[in-house]
Amino acid sequence: DGGITQSPKYLFRKEGQNVTLSCEQNLNHDAMYWYRQDPGQGLRLIYYSQIVNDFQKGDIAEGYSVSREKKESFPLTVTSAQKNPTAFYLCASSIGSGTEAFFGQGTRLTVV
Amino acid sequence: AQSVTQPDIHITVSEGASLELRCNYSYGATPYLFWYVQSPGQGLQLLLKYFSGDTLVQGIKGFEAEFKRSQSSFNLRKPSVHWSDAAEYFCAGVYGGSQGNLIFGKGTKLSVKP
Repeated sequence: DGGITQSPKYLFRKEGQNVTLSCEQNLNHDAMYWYRQDPGQGLRLIYYSQIVNDFQKGDIAEGYSVSREKKESFPLTVTSAQKNPTAFYLCASSIGSGTEAFFGQGTRLTVV
Repeated sequence: AQSVTQPDIHITVSEGASLELRCNYSYGATPYLFWYVQSPGQGLQLLLKYFSGDTLVQGIKGFEAEFKRSQSSFNLRKPSVHWSDAAEYFCAGVYGGSQGNLIFGKGTKLSVKP
């Protein structure tokens, strides 16, 4: 089945540690996105990539980093510089910018 | 700045009643518009989309939405709500065509009374 796979579903991190969230898609989509979701805030764009080896900052990129070495993969690293990392993280992909996005099932990150 | 607004944070309807969820987009060039649904702890599922043409669009699960340029609105409707429709609903828009990214409203949580 084609789709977007995020792993792990739940992730716990100690303060001061970096952690990487995985996102893989087999839809052959060019564009991929990372969103952060907090209660009552909707979805906020962290980073996006329209093509392999290229990515741009979204609205809340501080404290996060990404890479796009392969078309199907777009991992997100939450660094120790992110002051409030506890949130639900959603990865999405689309054929290109300006089209509908398809979402993974999300990763819930908790800092302990 | 371009934006998408959902005026209602939480709506409760009785099972079998009709539903309308409101969405407004900021004035200016018409964006591409979408409605998504999210069950607790899950990702988002696309319900329907509007790019151009017919202003009434049909989606999955019996939902429809009507684009009204004069009101800058794209409201989601369903004639008869089922208990399984309880979820959070997000309206989203893309401005600038192929150069734009999705901008989301803050969501409307729908509760369904038996």
